[in-house]
Amino acid sequence: DAGVIQSPRHEVTEMGQEVTLRCKPISGHNSLFWYRQTMMRGLELLIYFNNNVPIDDSGMPEDRFSAKMPNASFSTLKIQPSEPRDSAVYFCASSYRAEQYFGPGTRLTVT
Amino acid sequence: EDQVTQSPEALRLQEGESSSLNCSYTVSGLRGLFWYRQDPGKGPEFLFTLYSAGEEKEKERLKATLTKKESFLHITAPKPEDSATYLCAVQDYGGSQGNLIFGKGTKLSVKP
Repeated sequence: DAGVIQSPRHEVTEMGQEVTLRCKPISGHNSLFWYRQTMMRGLELLIYFNNNVPIDDSGMPEDRFSAKMPNASFSTLKIQPSEPRDSAVYFCASSYRAEQYFGPGTRLTVT
Repeated sequence: EDQVTQSPEALRLQEGESSSLNCSYTVSGLRGLFWYRQDPGKGPEFLFTLYSAGEEKEKERLKATLTKKESFLHITAPKPEDSATYLCAVQDYGGSQGNLIFGKGTKLSVKP
């Protein structure tokens, strides 16, 4: 398997623009997680899905953030409008048991 | 509130100099404790899962152990390729299923 796939790997955008991050989980995994990593706060869970259904979105910082999982092989994390404080590395992870497997991440820079 | 604290924040070793990294945690009920390795510019890579006090797992030069309050990642005779940030995470029975709480990590540098 190719592992968790994320795109784009790098995104630079201006404040106020919409940003969409994409994730393809490992085939056969039924849980998908979105994390954000910063130097100050480390790795934080934003939202996770089980069998395509959002289970816990308590980590989503505010209404500007939304996530969808239309099918078992694709998920998006959208930020609209983006702000400079959203600059971070965003990781997607998937699992079918306790262990989560992470993608390479998307480095987002909002200027 | 669940907490995970890793120490030290950074550790510099000479090649072959064994040491240990610490992960202390506070949870209402431990479902599992996880160790990950993260290289610069990459996502965390899964290493071990520990479920109960006294459990140990080994992989090459790494051995993870678990007590009721903390976990140790022992590195025996490290090599430069072991340089990375090591992350610890816990899953709490009281929290939402699947929610991992991560520590800030220990950045390990191994010099030849």
